Amino acid sequence: KQEVTQIPAALSVPEGENLVLNCSFTDSAIYNLQWFRQDPGKGLTSLLLIQSSQREQTSGRLNASLDKSSGRSTLYIAASQPGDSATYLCAARQDNQGGKLIFGQGTELSVKP
Amino acid sequence: NAGVTQTPKFRVLKTGQSMTLLCAQDMNHEYMYWYRQDPGMGLRLIHYSVGEGTTAKGEVPDGYNVSRLKKQNFLLGLESAAPSQTSVYFCASSYHPYRVSQPQHFGDGTRLSIL
Repeated sequence: KQEVTQIPAALSVPEGENLVLNCSFTDSAIYNLQWFRQDPGKGLTSLLLIQSSQREQTSGRLNASLDKSSGRSTLYIAASQPGDSATYLCAARQDNQGGKLIFGQGTELSVKP
Repeated sequence: NAGVTQTPKFRVLKTGQSMTLLCAQDMNHEYMYWYRQDPGMGLRLIHYSVGEGTTAKGEVPDGYNVSRLKKQNFLLGLESAAPSQTSVYFCASSYHPYRVSQPQHFGDGTRLSIL
């Protein structure tokens, strides 16, 4: 059974700092891995999706990497801003299981001005 | 752009009452999903549907029923609400995951309290 873990559960950094959020998964037979952002009281917004055959994806100040062999993904945020404050969730999509996502519990990020 | 719309946004029920949560998407997505989000537990899949007229159980299906009579709608029902079902419920939709590699799109959630 796939398990997805995100450490730390919460992170506070000063504005301008570069930071890395971690995601680990136990079953390497994933179809893709997705990173989402969730603002308080809101739904999830997709940030990046990495196919199992890819090593990384970039969007603006965000870069996500995937290492299936070690069961790890990271989300790198460059030059953090207060507007980046939110909860970040990673989710693994399994092969041949109806596209179901297995979510980590999230990392709550706070960027201080 | 409506995307995924959930109704209602908030609801308070008494134990034993029934209700239906409605999810509607306007993106012509084949797949639809219902998740619940609880503190310390993350999001867990309740039921999902791979097309009109089909449904399947997810990780935590007990106490819930679903129906997908139309492609754009996915209904989640609670027949006899229990306090353990107090949660935030999210609906999501996507294209066939192996046809188009795109993420799931989520609604803003329904906050449900069972007293």
